[in-house]
Amino acid sequence: ETGVTQSPTHLIKTRGQQVTLRCSSQSGHNTVSWYQQALGQGPQFIFQYYREEENGRGNFPPRFSGLQFPNYSSELNVNALELDDSALYLCASSAASSSYNEQFFGPGTRLTVL
Amino acid sequence: QQQVKQSPQSLIVQKGGISIINCAYENTAFDYFPWYQQFPGKGPALLIAIRPDVSEKKEGRFTISFNKSAKQFSLHIMDSQPGDSATYFCAARKDSNSGYALNFGKGTSLLVTP
Repeated sequence: ETGVTQSPTHLIKTRGQQVTLRCSSQSGHNTVSWYQQALGQGPQFIFQYYREEENGRGNFPPRFSGLQFPNYSSELNVNALELDDSALYLCASSAASSSYNEQFFGPGTRLTVL
Repeated sequence: QQQVKQSPQSLIVQKGGISIINCAYENTAFDYFPWYQQFPGKGPALLIAIRPDVSEKKEGRFTISFNKSAKQFSLHIMDSQPGDSATYFCAARKDSNSGYALNFGKGTSLLVTP
């Protein structure tokens, strides 16, 4: 069984640029959630996708957007990058049919904005 | 606004000792409480989780104690080992039609000394 994978591992961008991060969900999982983890902090919920639609959103501005594809993989797009966007971006997948809807995380993408 | 408060921020325990990490929450709508373990450079890994209808759950050396009236829950690591040295996050979630967002604490950095 393949776990959650994310690409790229690391990324360096400059302020104002746009970035796309990718996530492949664990086999059998149909829901993907994205989190931002600043250094020394707990992950913060950005949004969740289920059946290719946004299914919940945290306190993040519209320049954070996402997509989910028919194979349940997902993308996180961030426009107009700001210095504070520097963080570890985590993707978590889950199966909506499971009783606990446990979320399993990928290794993350480390984004640095200069 | 931090919905889940975690303490202590850091913890040093001798090998073989008991590590105890505490969390508190305010939102009584939360009904799922997982603990995650995160090693440097890795994504959080689900360790153990509990629903509020039970007061304790044990899996191997890891035990969650849950006090619904006090809105508190804790993680106990028995016979702590150097390999347990990691950052631990508690989280809370409410099931809703708008997704299953995890609300994380700020984390506890655990060091188990030989």
